[in-house]
Amino acid sequence: SAVISQKPSRDICQRGTSLTIQCQVDSQVTMMFWYRQQPGQSLTLIATANQGSEATYESGFVIDKFPISRPNLTFSTLTVSNMSPEDSSIYLCSVDKGQGYGYTFGSGTRLTVV
Amino acid sequence: AQSVAQPEDQVNVAEGNPLTVKCTYSVSGNPYLFWYVQYPNRGLQFLLKYITGDNLVKGSYGFEAEFNKSQTSFHLKKPSALVSDSALYFCAVRDGHTGGFKTIFGAGTRLFVKA
Repeated sequence: SAVISQKPSRDICQRGTSLTIQCQVDSQVTMMFWYRQQPGQSLTLIATANQGSEATYESGFVIDKFPISRPNLTFSTLTVSNMSPEDSSIYLCSVDKGQGYGYTFGSGTRLTVV
Repeated sequence: AQSVAQPEDQVNVAEGNPLTVKCTYSVSGNPYLFWYVQYPNRGLQFLLKYITGDNLVKGSYGFEAEFNKSQTSFHLKKPSALVSDSALYFCAVRDGHTGGFKTIFGAGTRLFVKA
């Protein structure tokens, strides 16, 4: 299975600022996924990031708020823009090595907005 | 659209007893079903999956799950629970028919195993 390095592992940010989360995979993958896990809740898919094309966002998430980059097959970034306390969550990147296989997740970024 | 339900927020079981964590799903095509576990302050870990074949699938740490097509269920089981199994468990589903890679997660069930 893939190994994912995600950073930062945690951050405390001021409201109105932006944070960029990086996700590095040790092998090439076609699709990368960004999830949000709010305190005490399940994972919600933010967007799917394919290399060479715009990310596909789920309902309730927009590119202006969560811009995503996917410059190559091993790397992606998610930016949380103009943050408010409601953005306080754990953000996770994940990859799928092939259809039908389980995801591998990064260790997550615990974001607190004050 | 696919969906998954975990009807229990919490399951309590004594160490050594069998445990079951319930999951039901809805997809338009063939389901790809998964269980993940999240230990405190740690990331999500893949436990097991059902794609096709035997309805009973075995995974990590002695866990198994039974796929029941008629009941659209995929309950997680373990014959003898350990205190170290205490964690948050997520059921997840993907629609294999459409060929999409999007995976939807259930709300999660917190398992407490008492010594």
